[in-house]
Amino acid sequence: GAVVSQHPSWVICKSGTSVKIECRSLDFQATTMFWYRQFPKQSLMLMATSNEGSKATYEQGVEKDKFLINHASLTLSTLTVTSAHPEDSSFYICSAPRKARDTEAFFGQGTRLTVV
Amino acid sequence: AQKITQTQPGMFVQEKEAVTLDCTYDTSDQSYGLFWYKQPSSGEMIFLIYQGSYDEQNATEGRYSLNFQKARKSANLVISASQLGDSAMYFCAMREGMTGGGNKLTFGTGTQLKVEL
Repeated sequence: GAVVSQHPSWVICKSGTSVKIECRSLDFQATTMFWYRQFPKQSLMLMATSNEGSKATYEQGVEKDKFLINHASLTLSTLTVTSAHPEDSSFYICSAPRKARDTEAFFGQGTRLTVV
Repeated sequence: AQKITQTQPGMFVQEKEAVTLDCTYDTSDQSYGLFWYKQPSSGEMIFLIYQGSYDEQNATEGRYSLNFQKARKSANLVISASQLGDSAMYFCAMREGMTGGGNKLTFGTGTQLKVEL
């Protein structure tokens, strides 16, 4: 079964509104989670590293104020797309590696965001 | 410089045949991990197989095996006895470093595999 749960799986929102995406590790604690974005027919690109209890680390070119990340507990990280615009429409997916098993990195189901 | 290269944007294979998906990588680290994921049209990323840089034997997981050639920096995925359900996008990914917990992954551009009758 799934070990990382992501919600919602899809969302449509109006331009200018904010959308929150949740990523939960189901049976393990994840002090670190990763957020990726995937445009249609492209690869996954790392956006940021979510760190429990501290600030997220963003990749170059990713706007911190646009993509707010909160990792308030050992099992939950959230990504909020603020003031969404059509160009933010994409597939967002999180990853939460299990420390005891670093040979695997599990992903959530992904969230397909459409901004209209 | 691109760290993960998948040169096959699309591949066709007949059902029950074997297929090899190519992946080359570039890193200056001595310790790293290589992953293969399957992404069906639903979008989920399904972990298939892992190869550590210090693993002497090629990794195998059921019908999946990884042909790891360290000197050539290649980590090709071999799928044996292809099934229609194998049709999906396949991504090769690399983690630099071997610290527990998994560092961030760098992905290749993917190979779209289509299994035909």
